[in-house]
Amino acid sequence: KAGVTQTPRYLIKTRGQQVTLSCSPISGHRSVSWYQQTPGQGLQFLFEYFSETQRNKGNFPGRFSGRQFSNSRSEMNVSTLELGDSALYLCASSSGQENTEAFFGQGTRLTVV
Amino acid sequence: EDKVVQSPLSLVVHEGDTVTLNCSYEVTNFRSLLWYKQEKKAPTFLFMLTSSGIEKKSGRLSSILDKKELFSILNITATQTGDSAVYLCAVPANNDMRFGAGTRLTVKP
Repeated sequence: KAGVTQTPRYLIKTRGQQVTLSCSPISGHRSVSWYQQTPGQGLQFLFEYFSETQRNKGNFPGRFSGRQFSNSRSEMNVSTLELGDSALYLCASSSGQENTEAFFGQGTRLTVV
Repeated sequence: EDKVVQSPLSLVVHEGDTVTLNCSYEVTNFRSLLWYKQEKKAPTFLFMLTSSGIEKKSGRLSSILDKKELFSILNITATQTGDSAVYLCAVPANNDMRFGAGTRLTVKP
C-alpha cells in the first residue's frame, strides 16, 4: 500500500507570492489533515478535510486555505507569503473515523525569502 | 485551553540505557492519545492508547495511559543509536489535534 505523498518536497518563494502544496492520502483514507511545523512553535494544526469538506480548523489566518477533491487528494494554499510562513508543512492521512491513527507524509519544506 | 505537555524536552543517554518519556494532557472529551517518532521529516506512528492501564508494546518500546492522572509514558529499553529522534505525543482535542513540543532523545554509542 502506497504511503502519503506530498509534493513538492522543497519550495522557495518570495514574500507576497502564493503557494499551493499537494497531498495524496493512503488509498481508502478519506481524511487529510495539514500541519505546520517550525522550530519555535512545534507541530500546529491547520485544518482537516473529510469527504471534500473542511471538518476542523486551527487558529491560522485566512491566508491559509485548503480543499479536498473527490479522490481525497488535498491541496493547501498560502497567499501573500510572509517570512514567518517558512516551515515544514506536513499532511496526515487517516480513515477519518474516531480513534484511528494518522499517517504522515514526508512534508514540504517551504522557504520564504 | 486544551494542552499537551511533554517532558523532558531533551535527553541524552548511552546505548543500552532505558528511558521514560512523559506526556501530560488537558483536553475536553478525551478520546485517545498517540505517540509518534520523528527522525527527519515524517512522524511515524508508534502507539495509540484509548484505555487506561493497558500497556501497548512493540519490541523494546512500550506505552501506558493513566486517564485518571491525565498522562502517558513511553518507555524504551536497551536503547540503540537508531532510537535517536524526537518523540511526539498528540491528543485529539475538540476541533484539532494537539501535539506536545516533543522530547528530543539522543542515544550515544
